[in-house]
Amino acid sequence: NAGVMQNPRHLVRRRGQEARLRCSPMKGHSHVYWYRQLPEEGLKFMVYLQKENIIDESGMPKERFSAEFPKEGPSILRIQQVVRGDSAAYFCASSPPFPGGWGQPQHFGDGTRLSIL
Amino acid sequence: AQKVTQAQTEISVVEKEDVTLDCVYETRDTTYYLFWYKQPPSGELVFLIRRNSFDEQNEISGRYSWNFQKSTSSFNFTITASQVVDSAVYFCALSPLEGFNKFYFGSGTKLNVKP
Repeated sequence: NAGVMQNPRHLVRRRGQEARLRCSPMKGHSHVYWYRQLPEEGLKFMVYLQKENIIDESGMPKERFSAEFPKEGPSILRIQQVVRGDSAAYFCASSPPFPGGWGQPQHFGDGTRLSIL
Repeated sequence: AQKVTQAQTEISVVEKEDVTLDCVYETRDTTYYLFWYKQPPSGELVFLIRRNSFDEQNEISGRYSWNFQKSTSSFNFTITASQVVDSAVYFCALSPLEGFNKFYFGSGTKLNVKP
C-alpha cells in the first residue's frame, strides 16, 4: 500500500495519559500535514512539517501538543496529559515537494480516532 | 481572511434526484486552488476534484459536475441522478498561495440519499 499510513486507527486513553499518533507519508512525499476533526465538524489545520522542520504550527494548541517529522521514520503527533476535549479524529496528509507540490491534492490517511475516557 | 462556508449542513434526497452542494470561499489571494473531498461513513477522505483560480471552466466527470464562479466566490458541486453510494459528507477546501499548501476546509455537507 503506497498511500498515507496512519496508526493506530483507534486509540483509547484515560485523562492525563499521553497519546502518540503516527503517520508515514506517501512514497516521494516530503511534506506532512496534521488536521483535527471534531465530531460533526470539518477538518482544522494543526501543523505542517517537512523532514526535521516545523514549517507552520499556527493551528496547534500552545500546550500539551507537539509534532515532529524526523529524518528517519514516521511523523509523530504527541498529545500529553490528554483531556476529554482532545477526543477527535486526527488526519495526516502528505504532498510532494514544492514547487510542484503546491496546489496538488493532499493525500489523506484513514485517520486516528482518539477517545478519552 | 481565508475561509470556506458550506451553509448546507445536511441534505436528504431520494435516489435519482439531482442535488447541488454549495461552497462559498473567502481569500485575499488572487492565486489559489479549490478542492472537493468525499468522506464516506467509513471515515476516509477521498479526493474528488481540484480547480485553480485561473481556470473557470466547469467540469463534468460522469454524474459529477462542478461550477466555479469567481464573481460570486463559489465552487458548487452537483450530483446528477444520485445513488445511495453517494451518501457521505462532502467537504470543500481552499488552498491559497500564501498558505504553504495549508488547506482550509468548510464544515461539510452531509448528503443522505434514500432508496
